[in-house]
Amino acid sequence: GAGVSQSPSNKVTEKGKDVELRCDPISGHTALYWYRQSLGQGLEFLIYFQGNSAPDKSGLPSDRFSAERTGGSVSTLTIQRTQQEDSAVYLCASSFQSAGWAEAFFGQGTRLTVV
Amino acid sequence: SQQGEEDPQALSIQEGENATMNCSYKTSINNLQWYRQNSGRGLVHLILIRSNEREKHSGRLRVTLDTSKKSSSLLITASRAADTASYFCATDLSGGSNYKLTFGKGTLLTVNP
Repeated sequence: GAGVSQSPSNKVTEKGKDVELRCDPISGHTALYWYRQSLGQGLEFLIYFQGNSAPDKSGLPSDRFSAERTGGSVSTLTIQRTQQEDSAVYLCASSFQSAGWAEAFFGQGTRLTVV
Repeated sequence: SQQGEEDPQALSIQEGENATMNCSYKTSINNLQWYRQNSGRGLVHLILIRSNEREKHSGRLRVTLDTSKKSSSLLITASRAADTASYFCATDLSGGSNYKLTFGKGTLLTVNP
């Protein structure tokens, strides 16, 4: 595709439910990032995939959060047993080189609201 | 953990004036990037400066990097109302095996017409 695509763009879920957020990176990009942004705040790093290397999961806030990247392309961020504090915009980005060496292209994000 | 910190947190100027935003970081870097965000959604890349570069220009943007002070600045000249946005610096972590692109909290720039 022409850019990074995230779905859904908005998601409202009840507390305790599981949610899956999807990211389609730009074709050929080996690096993929997930970030979380609360209202008026900066970007909180969650997880980073680079090629076939083990992902850097150091930013995941709890074991309720997990992510996978299938076939080096599409990534899914899963939040289990959602809590109200999980409400935020979840941003995905991809890059054709490893972290920092090339610009990252961002999707438009998924706004998650937990009620 | 966040590597970069922008300063000021918010900046309000008149159209036509210059806007300067600063970024400080903690550890050695390979590169530093600046991004812009409108309306709390996706970020757009503005410019990348490598650790061996001191200054870089792109249109009305000028970025400087001082690795001895671990700081960078973004200058927007002749600002326009359309420049109103949040601006973030992003750095990688050099050395070790954990390379990841980390962002500061951003500077909210308001350009008044």
